[in-house]
Amino acid sequence: GAGVSQSPSNKVTEKGKDVELRCDPISGHTALYWYRQSLGQGLEFLIYFQGNSAPDKSGLPSDRFSAERTGGSVSTLTIQRTQQEDSAVYLCASSLVGGGAFNEQFFGPGTRLTVL
Amino acid sequence: GQSLEQPSEVTAVEGAIVQINCTYQTSGFYGLSWYQQHDGGAPTFLSYNALDGLEETGRFSSFLSRSDSYGYLLLQELQMKDSASYFCAVKGNQGGKLIFGQGTELSVKP
Repeated sequence: GAGVSQSPSNKVTEKGKDVELRCDPISGHTALYWYRQSLGQGLEFLIYFQGNSAPDKSGLPSDRFSAERTGGSVSTLTIQRTQQEDSAVYLCASSLVGGGAFNEQFFGPGTRLTVL
Repeated sequence: GQSLEQPSEVTAVEGAIVQINCTYQTSGFYGLSWYQQHDGGAPTFLSYNALDGLEETGRFSSFLSRSDSYGYLLLQELQMKDSASYFCAVKGNQGGKLIFGQGTELSVKP
């Protein structure tokens, strides 16, 4: 595809419900990242995939958060039993490769999650 | 812990030059990047420095001093469309993860 796409663009849910956020990276990009951005704040790293493996999950805030990637392409971030503090914009990025030297990360438009 | 500090906001006029500073304290360092984010939009890459010195890309330049754990983004000939948030980010390990600063909101006035 032309760029990183994410769906849904907006998600409103009730506290305690589970949500799934989807990311389609740029075709051919082997590395994929999830970040979270609260209003007026910087981006907080959540998880990094190289292919279908996640060598760095250090940013996942609790065991309610999980992510998977299949076919070296699409990734899904799942938040179980959502809490109000989970409200944020969830951004996905991809890059040609992840490790070693610099690789520009291309970001998607994000999913704005609101937990009521 | 790991942290990056940058000013929260900067205001400048069209045609002027502005410098956005970033100091970092991270356990590892593989380079400093700068990203631009317009309101409600996706962050987009501006520049990257792995070695000390100045990198120039059109109206934007970025500088790094590893000994001072410091870098800056220089924007010249400011235009109204440059009004946005600017984030510095450190690649802290070989895995590609970026650690972001809190962002500097740049307002360009006519």
